[in-house]
Formats: sequence, C-alpha cells, structure tokens
Amino acid sequence: DAEITQSPRHKITETGRQVTLACHQTWNHNNMFWYRQDLGHGLRLIHYSYGVHDTNKGEVSDGYSVSRSNTEDLPLTLESAASSQTSVYFCASSRDRSGELFFGEGSRLTVL
Amino acid sequence: RKEVEQDPGPFNVPEGATVAFNCTYSNSASQSFFWYRQDCRKEPKLLMSVYSSGNEDGRFTAQLNRASQYISLLIRDSKLSDSATYLCVVYRPGNQFYFGTGTSLTVIP
Repeated sequence: DAEITQSPRHKITETGRQVTLACHQTWNHNNMFWYRQDLGHGLRLIHYSYGVHDTNKGEVSDGYSVSRSNTEDLPLTLESAASSQTSVYFCASSRDRSGELFFGEGSRLTVL
Repeated sequence: RKEVEQDPGPFNVPEGATVAFNCTYSNSASQSFFWYRQDCRKEPKLLMSVYSSGNEDGRFTAQLNRASQYISLLIRDSKLSDSATYLCVVYRPGNQFYFGTGTSLTVIP
C-alpha cells in the first residue's frame, strides 16, 4: 500500500543545532507540504512543493528550509533550532492541489 | 482575523446523541471545504469534503452556506469511536489550505 512516512518520530535537540526531518511518500504525488501544529493554532503551513525542484514558502517559513530533489522526498531543515520551533510537525502529500491531503504520522520536536 | 474559526469545545455528549459543529471562514474566494478528523496525538485524516448542495455519509452530514461563509458538520447517533478533534479546512486557489484549531468531541457511555 502507498504511504507517507516521517522520521524521526521524536527528536530532542538543543538550541542552535541543525535538525532535518525526513518525509517520504510512495503515492507518487507531486504536491507535498510541511505543517506545524501548536496548541491554540490550526495547522500552519511552513513550506510546500508542487514538483521536483519546486519549493515555496508558507505562512511560517522563517527558520526553515526544504529541498525537492525527487518526487518521493521533501526533507525539512531547521538551520539553527530555536525553542519557538518546539512543535509537532506533519508532512502531507496530495494528488490534486485542492484535493485530499494525506498526512504522515507526525514528528514531535523539542528544542531545549 | 483568522481565516477559519471554530468553537474549540469541548463537546461532551452521551452515546446516541446528535451533535453539530460550525465553522466560519473569512475569505469569500475560498473554493473547497473539508472536515478532517484527528485522534489524540495522531495525524489528521479526511472525514468528508463539503459540497454546496450539502452531502451525507452515513451518520455524518456536512453543509455549506456560502452567503454566510460557514460550514457545519452534523453527527447523528454518536458512537464512542466518534471521540476525536474535528478540523474545519478551507482551500483558497492560489493560496493553500487553512485549518481551524479544531473542535474536541468526547462521546460518553
């Protein structure tokens, strides 16, 4: 069965360290997204991609970067982790831009 | 003003009850509308899309009122397994999906 996986599922890091969260999907979807979820906020878009070598900033992109070198993967990098980036991160993919989003299981990141 | 607003609840209802959630969106250019379900500490999953004419899926009924810019979800004959957080999601062309903060539902035996 096609799926979308994230790793690591849990990560504790220190302020200032670089962190990369991996996202891999086997749906062959062109559209991939990274969201963060915090109490009191809905899921907020960090970055998204509509295809290989395409990346775009979302609502809360400061301090994050992504790259899309193939269809399957969209890694999210925190260049210098900050405590404000402690959150649950969800990767998602979709076949159509306005269609159903398929989410990974989430990565819980704690920045100390 | 938030793009999507929902009553966070919590809604605590007995089994068999009918419960309704509402959601409002701020931008009239919004095109597509959805309800997602999120179980505790899990990923969101699509419950149903919401169409202009209203649509039903078993015990679940979704309605869209474009004039008033609100979306509703009605759950009939609530089951214990319906306990979750329900997210209202709106898509605006040229932009992205906007998520409400979610409405928490607990169905009590």
